[in-house]
Amino acid sequence: AQSVTQLGSHVSVSEGALVLLRCNYSSSVPPYLFWYVQYPNQGLQLLLKYTSAATLVKGINGFEAEFKKSETSFHLTKPSAHMSDAAEYFCAVSEGGGSNYKLTFGKGTLLTVNP
Amino acid sequence: DTGVSQDPRHKITKRGQNVTFRCDPISEHNRLYWYRQTLGQGPEFLTYFQNEAQLEKSRLLSDRFSAERPKGSFSTLEIQRTEQGDSAMYLCASSHTGTSSYEQYFGPGTRLTVT
Repeated sequence: AQSVTQLGSHVSVSEGALVLLRCNYSSSVPPYLFWYVQYPNQGLQLLLKYTSAATLVKGINGFEAEFKKSETSFHLTKPSAHMSDAAEYFCAVSEGGGSNYKLTFGKGTLLTVNP
Repeated sequence: DTGVSQDPRHKITKRGQNVTFRCDPISEHNRLYWYRQTLGQGPEFLTYFQNEAQLEKSRLLSDRFSAERPKGSFSTLEIQRTEQGDSAMYLCASSHTGTSSYEQYFGPGTRLTVT
């Protein structure tokens, strides 16, 4: 069974500061891992994905994440926060075809960016 | 590629009424997923279609819920005898069989409020 834990339901940073959002996963098979962003009253937008290729994954808007198998982690980072990054971020795991590629999400981390 | 669309975007209904939501996936996407997102939580998987066949249903999908995907194109999600606990955002996502099977594209969601 697959599961995701996001540490910290709310992270607050200053504009220009480093963003670090934490995600740990559990999976019985090599996982696919994703980060999605959700703006208020909108659907989910894919930021980046890990699909067993490079362990350091670059996504849109300057975000990146590193897959660490030994730590079962997939933390999201951005070197310099921008006001427009304020949103809710969800980490998700999929066990691939054996589970019909369905996604299991964490509870989300709300990122606020202070001027 | 016009993206995944959902209709309506918002629905307010009284307890005990029936409601139906529609999802139009990205054209040629043969996989379609429904998720439910309650306040402060990540999306949770409800059901999955490949073409017109409903291949998986979560135990979250009680007998009052039914989903269809006639002809393998758009999908509908019906909730009968709505309860206040059904209040949530209902998200639809689609993907294409092939090298990017794991990549799901989400619609804007339908927000249901049961009064």
